[in-house]
Amino acid sequence: SQQGEEDPQALSIQEGENATMNCSYKTSINNLQWYRQNSGRGLVHLILIRSNEREKHSGRLRVTLDTSKKSSSLLITASRAADTASYFCATDEDGNKLVFGAGTILRVKS
Amino acid sequence: DGGITQSPKYLFRKEGQNVTLSCEQNLNHDAMYWYRQDPGQGLRLIYYSQIVNDFQKGDIAEGYSVSREKKESFPLTVTSAQKNPTAFYLCASSIDRLGKQFFGPGTRLTVL
Repeated sequence: SQQGEEDPQALSIQEGENATMNCSYKTSINNLQWYRQNSGRGLVHLILIRSNEREKHSGRLRVTLDTSKKSSSLLITASRAADTASYFCATDEDGNKLVFGAGTILRVKS
Repeated sequence: DGGITQSPKYLFRKEGQNVTLSCEQNLNHDAMYWYRQDPGQGLRLIYYSQIVNDFQKGDIAEGYSVSREKKESFPLTVTSAQKNPTAFYLCASSIDRLGKQFFGPGTRLTVL
């Protein structure tokens, strides 16, 4: 079952703006991961944040994790047209396997 | 190059036929996975394998079968029992079952 839920379902912004996507989950986790999928391609791993971490950075990406609210956010700063993609969060709340959310579709207009 | 490959990229099948999708990895990963993705949707887990000669059903295993005879290979068979097989199929692998997953490029299956 898909327990991670991303919000919003779709987001359209202008190039140069920041994009924020959120992910909520239901039970305790050890880690939460974010992936990107370009249209018609496989997913690419972006970042993994562990339950004892609150924030993590990778280039223009910033991920935060709030375990008390069971939520995470992915911030993409200074967005580019090439950031247009679907973004998925995945958690290990199942204990045996990753559970992916339905994703946020990001469109960056140039 | 290390990575995960899927073939073919596009596959067409007539109703009532079984078809096998290939997935190979040379990353020396123990765990491998098959997902199904429908248009505008997230990923749904079909089967996963944490070690050679062992695999478990995911959330939507009905109408599918797998084998894991070699560490590097995890083929998926879509059988005629799968009522709505047209979809995008993604294979992935990881060092352990809860770690970072590496995905193949996907196979788009269309039933005619």
